[in-house]
Amino acid sequence: ELKVEQNPLFLSMQEGKNYTIYCNYSTTSDRLYWYRQDPGKSLESLFVLLSNGAVKQEGRLMASLDTKARLSTLHITAAVHDLSATYFCAVTNTGNQFYFGTGTSLTVIP
Amino acid sequence: NAGVMQNPRHLVRRRGQEARLRCSPMKGHSHVYWYRQLPEEGLKFMVYLQKENIIDESGMPKERFSAEFPKEGPSILRIQQVVRGDSAAYFCASSPGVAYGYTFGSGTRLTVV
Repeated sequence: ELKVEQNPLFLSMQEGKNYTIYCNYSTTSDRLYWYRQDPGKSLESLFVLLSNGAVKQEGRLMASLDTKARLSTLHITAAVHDLSATYFCAVTNTGNQFYFGTGTSLTVIP
Repeated sequence: NAGVMQNPRHLVRRRGQEARLRCSPMKGHSHVYWYRQLPEEGLKFMVYLQKENIIDESGMPKERFSAEFPKEGPSILRIQQVVRGDSAAYFCASSPGVAYGYTFGSGTRLTVV
């Protein structure tokens, strides 16, 4: 079974600072997703990464994928309070089943 | 396009009762997936259905849980004789095909008292 590990599990950071969330997965996968979840809400798709070396950016968030290392990163630049949420990475198998990481709970402190 | 619609949003059941969770996929999506999220955890796959067929139910508990996606109407996740451990958020997602990403519904939060 595909295993997905995220770290850190909890992240408290000050506004304006930079940080990186890491996502490791155990076997090859052709797609990696990043989602955001606010408390009590559903998952919002942030990025889909399809190939080795893929990099995508949206606002203060940038995601990258290294398929050889089976590693994806979500980099946060100059954090603001609105980014406080739980972030999940997920990879898929050929049957389109998603395997989610345990999530990183991010709190941005003013 | 209304997106993936789940109802009810919140459901409270006493131990031993049945819970029925409904999911209407996005228009044009024929693939439906159910996931369960326990508190402080990520989502865990339960079942993957296409119209009238269960494609993969490897994540479904062997007893008390069943799912269907009839030709007409929403997909239903049914939990019989609920226990406290069934308390969780249940998310449905749909996609137009295997090679596509998901769109998630807002979830049903089941509380068993």
